[in-house]
Amino acid sequence: DAGVTQSPTHLIKTRGQHVTLRCSPISGHKSVSWYQQVLGQGPQFIFQYYEKEERGRGNFPDRFSARQFPNYSSELNVNALLLGDSALYLCASSGALWETQYFGPGTRLLVL
Amino acid sequence: AQTVTQSQPEMSVQEAETVTLSCTYDTSESDYYLFWYKQPPSRQMILVIRQEAYKQQNATENRFSVNFQKAAKSFSLKISDSQLGDAAMYFCAYPHTSGTYKYIFGTGTRLKVLA
Repeated sequence: DAGVTQSPTHLIKTRGQHVTLRCSPISGHKSVSWYQQVLGQGPQFIFQYYEKEERGRGNFPDRFSARQFPNYSSELNVNALLLGDSALYLCASSGALWETQYFGPGTRLLVL
Repeated sequence: AQTVTQSQPEMSVQEAETVTLSCTYDTSESDYYLFWYKQPPSRQMILVIRQEAYKQQNATENRFSVNFQKAAKSFSLKISDSQLGDAAMYFCAYPHTSGTYKYIFGTGTRLKVLA
């Protein structure tokens, strides 16, 4: 079975631009979570979606938004990019809201 | 506030030897899970092992085992017969379940395996 997939793998943007990151969960999984991992640190929680509804939000500004589609895939959107948004963005899926999360390979975002 | 602390930024182990990575956490919950994830240079986060807090028996997965001390809120990872492929960042994680379900990660321990 395919694991969690994310696209694109790498992305370079300039300050002020907008970016959309995509995630497809493991087949049968209904929950998707997004994390930001700055180099040298542990991942920080951004959002969790379950059954297409937002179930949790971390301490990130309103420039960050997300949604989940009927097929349970998800998008993370970041507006007005700042240099500090440069990070690895990880998507994780789980079968249900409180089950073990399995991570995708991540999207590396560089903001210049 | 729930926190996860990994006090060892870096550890080294000789190939075939055993190493233990430490993790402490803070929670007011009585039933929860704890996880160890491995992140190699590719940066893919890979689940190594998980422990259910209500189980007294320590979890084991092949060469990986945990020493779970619930009263002390300690959750260490023991890697036996270390292999070169074990070299990676290791993160301890605790799922915060009050209100929002999210993983809280420690700062990680970089494990070097010496040939």
